[in-house]
Amino acid sequence: GAGVSQTPSNKVTEKGKYVELRCDPISGHTALYWYRQSLGQGPEFLIYFQGTGAADDSGLPNDRFFAVRPEGSVSTLKIQRTERGDSAVYLCASAGGSTDTQYFGPGTRLTVL
Amino acid sequence: QKEVEQNSGPLSVPEGAIASLNCTYSDRGSQSFFWYRQYSGKSPELIMFIYSNGDKEDGRFTAQLNKASQYVSLLIRDSQPSDSATYLCAVNNNNAGNMLTFGGGTRLMVKP
Repeated sequence: GAGVSQTPSNKVTEKGKYVELRCDPISGHTALYWYRQSLGQGPEFLIYFQGTGAADDSGLPNDRFFAVRPEGSVSTLKIQRTERGDSAVYLCASAGGSTDTQYFGPGTRLTVL
Repeated sequence: QKEVEQNSGPLSVPEGAIASLNCTYSDRGSQSFFWYRQYSGKSPELIMFIYSNGDKEDGRFTAQLNKASQYVSLLIRDSQPSDSATYLCAVNNNNAGNMLTFGGGTRLMVKP
């Protein structure tokens, strides 16, 4: 079956612009996670959805970051007024069934110039 | 102190040898432990998970967990050049949310 998909794979934007990153989880997975990975570091948690609601958004760095999952499937991570420090790979993962095992998508590499 | 600690490496082993990757964690409430492999430019790929103290084997991989010592390790037997990658340790405190806390990863190099 299909794994987690993310679009776009690469996004280059200018400082101050708005970007949207999309995640399509594994079919049937109710849990969806966003992480951010900077070069040479492990992924860092941003936000977790269980169904349509954000169960934990404690990892969002500030109010420029927002994420939605309106129908409990696809999720969009939104970043306003991008800054150069937002440049990273944004990873989405989903989990479901009887385990808490998370499966990652290919990521979106965001570059803010 | 980081919540999940790994030696960044690189750890260099010859082909056919056993590679031993180690991870310590600070949250005693951690309940689930995962090892992910990440090739350069790719996303993390799940290798193994372990929930209980002791060893868990899957092919050439063995995960070891010692909750009293807050220590989890991954052994790779008969290492192959294709095993060369960064290995990420991740822990999950299911009672504090389901997010994973990752270590910084250990870079493994298997030399032919």
